[in-house]
Amino acid sequence: GQNIDQPTEMTATEGAIVQINCTYQTSGFNGLFWYQQHAGEAPTFLSYNVLDGLEEKGRFSSFLSRSKGYSYLLLKELQMKDSASYLCAVRDSGNAGKSTFGDGTTLTVKP
Amino acid sequence: KAGVTQTPRYLIKTRGQQVTLSCSPISGHRSVSWYQQTPGQGLQFLFEYFSETQRNKGNFPGRFSGRQFSNSRSEMNVSTLELGDSALYLCASSSGTGPSETQYFGPGTRLLVL
Repeated sequence: GQNIDQPTEMTATEGAIVQINCTYQTSGFNGLFWYQQHAGEAPTFLSYNVLDGLEEKGRFSSFLSRSKGYSYLLLKELQMKDSASYLCAVRDSGNAGKSTFGDGTTLTVKP
Repeated sequence: KAGVTQTPRYLIKTRGQQVTLSCSPISGHRSVSWYQQTPGQGLQFLFEYFSETQRNKGNFPGRFSGRQFSNSRSEMNVSTLELGDSALYLCASSSGTGPSETQYFGPGTRLLVL
């Protein structure tokens, strides 16, 4: 079966750094994605990790440890517009079409 | 390039009715996946179509079905609607050629079943 865990809610201050963790137990693994979803909108792609290590993309970085079934999304220099839900998703089949999603972490950025 | 489009954006139905939702993928994308999003269950995978064939299927009852046309547009049908089918239905498209391909989501269809 598939199981993905992430914290339900987090709060951080504008300008700060926040780390959102994701742990997974899946029958197969073909990469881990992070998506951002603002209220009432569709998820948008943030990052993809398939090998262990850190991927940096501007203010956002994502880390993966396959042996530990663990990933985190790091957001630096937080802005108010970063308030959103962050979804961790594992691609568990050999093609692009199927991903198992966590329930998402709702991040609130306060001034 | 135009993004993924879904129609209609909002829909209200009553129990027992059936509904058809439409998704047009990004031009050139051959894979279309459907997801159901509810506050209690998060994003749940329904099925994926690639080149007019269902390639993956989630754990939803047979009331949920889909198809894909030769132009890669996809439709999803839900028969005998139940109150619990009220949700945001998202489709996502990708080239479908490999596991690293990013899925791009449409704006969703918000279905309310009364």
